[in-house]
Amino acid sequence: NAGVMQNPRHLVRRRGQEARLRCSPMKGHSHVYWYRQLPEEGLKFMVYLQKENIIDESGMPKERFSAEFPKEGPSILRIQQVVRGDSAAYFCASSPETGNTEAFFGQGTRLTVV
Amino acid sequence: AQKITQTQPGMFVQEKEAVTLDCTYDTSDQSYGLFWYKQPSSGEMIFLIYQGSYDEQNATEGRYSLNFQKARKSANLVISASQLGDSAMYFCAMREWGRDDKIIFGKGTRLHILP
Repeated sequence: NAGVMQNPRHLVRRRGQEARLRCSPMKGHSHVYWYRQLPEEGLKFMVYLQKENIIDESGMPKERFSAEFPKEGPSILRIQQVVRGDSAAYFCASSPETGNTEAFFGQGTRLTVV
Repeated sequence: AQKITQTQPGMFVQEKEAVTLDCTYDTSDQSYGLFWYKQPSSGEMIFLIYQGSYDEQNATEGRYSLNFQKARKSANLVISASQLGDSAMYFCAMREWGRDDKIIFGKGTRLHILP
């Protein structure tokens, strides 16, 4: 049973380009969470999705950021027109639909905007 | 108001000693879960231990135990017989079941184990 898979592990983008981060949850998990971590800081919640639904996007910047979790395929975090301040580690976590359990994290995507 | 508070930005502990990492939380929910994660320098997030709000016994996982004091709203992580490999960042987190279900993290404690 593969864990949460994130790709790419490292992503370099020039200012103004688009960044697309992918997250495949663990098998059987229907809940996906995205977090952002700046250097030497904790994880900041961005968005919580279930299949085809955004449940909570209170941590997402209002502009340039979007997320989806389609019926088929991975969850995508999309950052348009990236700026230097978007440089961070982006973590995805997944959990099952039921049960009081922990969320399992992917290894993160480290985005560097140059 | 912060939901999860970790008051120790950094700690230095001698190898083989026990160490306690502090965590207090704030919630009005009756049903919630508390977690600890370890983040080594390689960057991945490693789940360590979970405590449910209705669990009467403190959670234990190997050398990790969670000192859960519900009335004080604290969930301290205790690592017994620390090892050099325990040097990492440690995050306390909470999930409020039935509210919005997202996991909220504290700012973390950086633990250094000294040989």
